[in-house]
Amino acid sequence: GENVEQHPSTLSVQEGDSAVIKCTYSDSASNYFPWYKQELGKGPQLIIDIRSNVGEKKDQRIAVTLNKTAKHFSLHITETQPEDSAVYFCAASMGNQGGKLIFGQGTELSVKP
Amino acid sequence: DAGITQSPRHKVTETGTPVTLRCHQTENHRYMYWYRQDPGHGLRLIHYSYGVKDTDKGEVSDGYSVSRSKTEDFLLTLESATSSQTSVYFCAISAASYNEQFFGPGTRLTVL
Repeated sequence: GENVEQHPSTLSVQEGDSAVIKCTYSDSASNYFPWYKQELGKGPQLIIDIRSNVGEKKDQRIAVTLNKTAKHFSLHITETQPEDSAVYFCAASMGNQGGKLIFGQGTELSVKP
Repeated sequence: DAGITQSPRHKVTETGTPVTLRCHQTENHRYMYWYRQDPGHGLRLIHYSYGVKDTDKGEVSDGYSVSRSKTEDFLLTLESATSSQTSVYFCAISAASYNEQFFGPGTRLTVL
């Protein structure tokens, strides 16, 4: 079955710097890759997603890139702010299997003022 | 926020007792999912539903059962709770299998 590896497990940056989180997946049939942000005591919140027919997608300070050949995708956050501090999860899915998401282990991002 | 509620939000129970968690949605979405979250494991799918009375297993389904008798409600039952089922449980909904999933606030379950 699908397996998703996420790195790093913790990341600390200064306010204003960029942060990059990387994920690799094992099943080339996966075609949907969302990223979630989870704040303490809350459920995961979708922040951006990408499908396999697209190589890059941006939404303001957040971008996601996908390399299907290498089977990896990355989350880029520019001009980080203290409110970006949270745990971030990547996931992979094959739409023809009920949309089941396989999650990475999570990255705890800390943005220091 | 997507209209998803989970009840109870917190529960402490003893080993061997049955437990039922409820997920309720007001979005009329077809797909509903139950995940559990444990340190070091991210979120793992337990069961999901693709319509009323239509359910299937996920990665970690042993010891859990589900039911969906109405579009808006998806129940997760632990027939005989064990300490290994201590976790935070999240419900998610999606309009279609290839659409984004939206998560509820979670239920923290402790089995003593």
